[in-house]
Amino acid sequence: GAGVSQTPSNKVTEKGKYVELRCDPISGHTALYWYRQSLGQGPEFLIYFQGTGAADDSGLPNDRFFAVRPEGSVSTLKIQRTERGDSAVYLCASSKTSGNLGEQYFGPGTRLTVT
Amino acid sequence: KQEVTQIPAALSVPEGENLVLNCSFTDSAIYNLQWFRQDPGKGLTSLLLIQSSQREQTSGRLNASLDKSSGRSTLYIAASQPGDSATYLCAVNFYKLSFGAGTTVTVRA
Repeated sequence: GAGVSQTPSNKVTEKGKYVELRCDPISGHTALYWYRQSLGQGPEFLIYFQGTGAADDSGLPNDRFFAVRPEGSVSTLKIQRTERGDSAVYLCASSKTSGNLGEQYFGPGTRLTVT
Repeated sequence: KQEVTQIPAALSVPEGENLVLNCSFTDSAIYNLQWFRQDPGKGLTSLLLIQSSQREQTSGRLNASLDKSSGRSTLYIAASQPGDSATYLCAVNFYKLSFGAGTTVTVRA
């Protein structure tokens, strides 16, 4: 079946611009996660959705970052007033459920470059 | 805060040699532990998931062990091949994943 998909695969934007990154989870997966991976590092947690609601957004670095999942499926990560330090690969993952049954499946990521 | 460490950071071995990758974590309150593979410029591929109640998990040439009380996991890859060259990441799960920085493996033909 189809895996997690993310669009766009690459995004180049100028400092100060607004960007949206999209994630389509595996059909039927109720839990959705966003992570950010900087060069040479492991991914870092940003936000977790269970259904439509953000169950944990403690990893969002500041209020320029926001994510939604209005219908409990597709999610959009929104970054306002982008900064060069936001350049990274943004990864989305989904799982059938959360907690100890929730093996997470990752999408290919969106590489964001802020110039 | 959960801290995950992977040693070594890089490893180069000749084809056919067995690989041993180490992962340690500071908080034993976890649901499970996942090992991932990441090829350059690509996303993460899940290799093995070990539940917190399990001691090990096997898939083909891969075997992962978990000692939750001491905060350690080891990934063994038997009879390595050049196609095994990649970065291997471990992640501990307490509903959200905490990752190590990875071990970059090069298998020389």
